[in-house]
Formats: sequence, structure tokens, C-alpha cells
Amino acid sequence: DVVMTQSPPSLPVTLGQPASISCRSSQSLVHSDGNTYLNWFLQRPGQSPRRLIYNLSNRDSGVPDRFSGSGSGTDFTLKISRVEAEDVGVYYCMQDIHWPYTFGQGTKLEIK
Amino acid sequence: EVQLVESGGGLVQPGGSLRLSCAASGFTFSSYWMHWVRQVPGKGLVWVSCISPDGSSTTYADSVKGRFTISRDNAKNTLHLQMNSLRAEDTAVFYCVGVGTWGQGTLVTVSS
Repeated sequence: DVVMTQSPPSLPVTLGQPASISCRSSQSLVHSDGNTYLNWFLQRPGQSPRRLIYNLSNRDSGVPDRFSGSGSGTDFTLKISRVEAEDVGVYYCMQDIHWPYTFGQGTKLEIK
Repeated sequence: EVQLVESGGGLVQPGGSLRLSCAASGFTFSSYWMHWVRQVPGKGLVWVSCISPDGSSTTYADSVKGRFTISRDNAKNTLHLQMNSLRAEDTAVFYCVGVGTWGQGTLVTVSS
């Protein structure tokens, strides 16, 4: 199985400051169709996960542009340009190119 | 608006069975792959199974292979997960996932 490794496990951030979460995969997530099958999800406390980013860098509808995804091959990053209170929760990366699909262990973002 | 509503969770004894359902609305259900993902409360996300748009192709995580069966009824816009030979370690919230959207989840508790 493809192992997804996230860091850091916990991320305290001051409101208005940037934040960055890293995700590394044990195999390349680049498909022959040219897409990179890496997604980012946010699970707010008490809620279901919500997809923020798909195919490496595409924001889902309604996701603020302060969220951005980047990376290549096996190394990926989710960046939040200015953290807001509603960004608190656990962030997961997930690959959907290799069976079985696998998630990172999560990064808990909290406000300092 | 895309909506996924799970049902069918509950308390079951080890070795027992449950059938989860997911009612889909707001999109052309028959055109999309659909997935089940589970989460032990307080823990991370684990992909369980998925099914192709026409139902002809299914895939399972090794941990549920031979015990769980995913199916769909495109006429009724409904996804199912038949779970047999349940174990204590299957206790989790089960989410229906499709078109980048997650349902609210249904809790399955396997305990005597």
C-alpha cells in the first residue's frame, strides 16, 4: 500500500499568519494522463471531512483562495496564506491513484 | 446541492451483519464512482471500498475483503454496503463519499 506521511502532526498558528502542511507519498502519484492524484481534506471538530483540493492544486467550489496545493511526484504541500478561526481542524492528504486509496495520519491545526 | 445521507448503522454483536445505505441527490448518481470510508472516533480516515458508475467494478480494502460487499441501485440513487462477519475492530463511523462530497456518517458499533 502507498504510505502517506504528513507533518507536522500538530500545528499551532496565530490568526492571520501563514501555515504549511507537508505530505509525502511512498510512491509517485503522477498518472500517465498527466494528473497528480493528491487530495486535501479538512475535518472540522464534530463534522464530516470536506475536500479542499483535488488533483494536487485544484480548489473545490467554495474553498477560499487562501488555500493552495502544490508539489510534485511524492512531495506535496498545503498552504494557508492567512489562517482564520474557521480553519481549525484536522487536515488529511489522500492519494487516489493506487489501490487501496490511502490517507495521511492527519495534521491538527489549532490557534495559538 | 449535492447531498449524501447514510443510514443503517447501529449496535451489532461480533459475527453479525449490517447493511448500510446512502441516499444520493443533487447530481447524476449513475455517472460517478462512489466510495465508503470509515473512521474510528478520534482516529484517522480509512478507505474501505468503491464501486464504478455502472456497478460492474468493485474494490475493497484487504481488511474487509470477503466480508463486505458494496453495491448500488442507480434507479434509486442509492449506495449500499453489506457488512457480514463483523468484528470489534470494524467499529467506526462509516462515510459515503462521492463527487468530492461526504455524508454525515453513520456509526457502527460491534460489541457483545
